[in-house]
Order: sequence, then structure tokens, then C-alpha cells
Amino acid sequence: DQQVKQNSPSLSVQEGRISILNCDYTNSMFDYFLWYKKYPAEGPTFLISISSIKDKNEDGRFTVFLNKSAKHLSLHIVPSQPGDSAVYFCAASERGRDDKIIFGKGTRLHILP
Amino acid sequence: GAVVSQHPSRVICKSGTSVKIECRSLDFQATTMFWYRQFPKQSLMLMATSNEGSKATYEQGVEKDKFLINHASLTLSTLTVTSAHPEDSSFYICSAKLRNTEAFFGQGTRLTVV
Repeated sequence: DQQVKQNSPSLSVQEGRISILNCDYTNSMFDYFLWYKKYPAEGPTFLISISSIKDKNEDGRFTVFLNKSAKHLSLHIVPSQPGDSAVYFCAASERGRDDKIIFGKGTRLHILP
Repeated sequence: GAVVSQHPSRVICKSGTSVKIECRSLDFQATTMFWYRQFPKQSLMLMATSNEGSKATYEQGVEKDKFLINHASLTLSTLTVTSAHPEDSSFYICSAKLRNTEAFFGQGTRLTVV
């Protein structure tokens, strides 16, 4: 059973526009959510996180929104830049339990010139 | 951010041999280290969680005797793939974290078993 779901395998966005990546989760015990960016043949790089006590966290061009009632989070990138082209993984964990980070399958973002 | 170094980045080994992959947290002491495996075009699959000085906790379906994990210190964890087979060929990634912080990932190791 997949606990973290990213239903869009890929997304194409024009440079300068907003990229919105979505993620759903099923485990209501998750209390910490993260987004990672990954280039081919490299390890994931941490982008931004959000605790379940918040509904929004912003860091530069990246904003993560959390809707706990819907068990949904999203990552907004604005404005999108060519270097943002990568695979983005949504992840979640139960920090009070075992700190295991569970990943979604990822969404490949293409920024179009 | 914190640095996690994984070595080697690529390794090719013969079927039946064992391969060891190291994961080091360079500028912090990690309370927990995780090992993941990524199949082509798929997500990162958690294989096991290791805490320093204790036995690793393996995820369901991961063979403990095949994927030996040792977490000898707060800065070093190793994954040994024993008696490797071609189906073990994959991209293996470690991560390290302190409690209540985000995890930092190594660069990954591309294992090819021929």
C-alpha cells in the first residue's frame, strides 16, 4: 500500500510561470513532510519541509502548502527556472515514532524555454 | 546543509561476490541512517533503518542476510550486498539525520552485477 502518492509522473511548465507539484498521503500519523529534488544518478537534495502544525512554509521561490483534512500537500515553484528541471519527490515521516521517511514515486518536472 | 558522503559512486562486481558501500556524515553525528534502493523510473524504496550501536530494522521483503547493514559509529554506516546477483543491480542511496531534522542524502552508488 502506497502511503505517499504523487499521481502525476511528469509535468511541463513554461519558464517564468508557476510550477505546482501535488502529493497525497494516506497515513494520518505523518507529522512531517518534505520535498526533495533529484537529478539523474545523484542523491536527492532537500528542498523544503513542513510540520503538521503549519499549513504553509515558504523559502525563496519554493512554498509548500499542507491541507491536513484532505491529506494533501503541494509544492509551488515561482518563477520556474530551467535549472528546476528534475524529479521532485514528496516524502513524509512520523517524527515521534521512528523517523522513517517514506517517499512518493516522484514527478518529473520539465521547464520549457 | 549537512554533508553525507557515500562511497563508491559506481561499482561493478561479478556475480557471487560481495560489495560494501559506505555512508558517512561528514559534519554532524547522525542518530539514524537509512538505506534506500531506487529501481529505474521508480521511487526510493526504504530498505532498512539503522541506529548507531544497534541492529538495523529491515523493511518487509528485504533480506537481512543479503543486505548486511552495520552502523559502527554516529558518522558511519555500511551496506554490504552479499553474494550479489544481476537482479541486485540498482542505485543505492543512504541518508543520515539527527532527530527532528530533515534527512540528508549521499550521492548514491550505482551497483552493476555482471
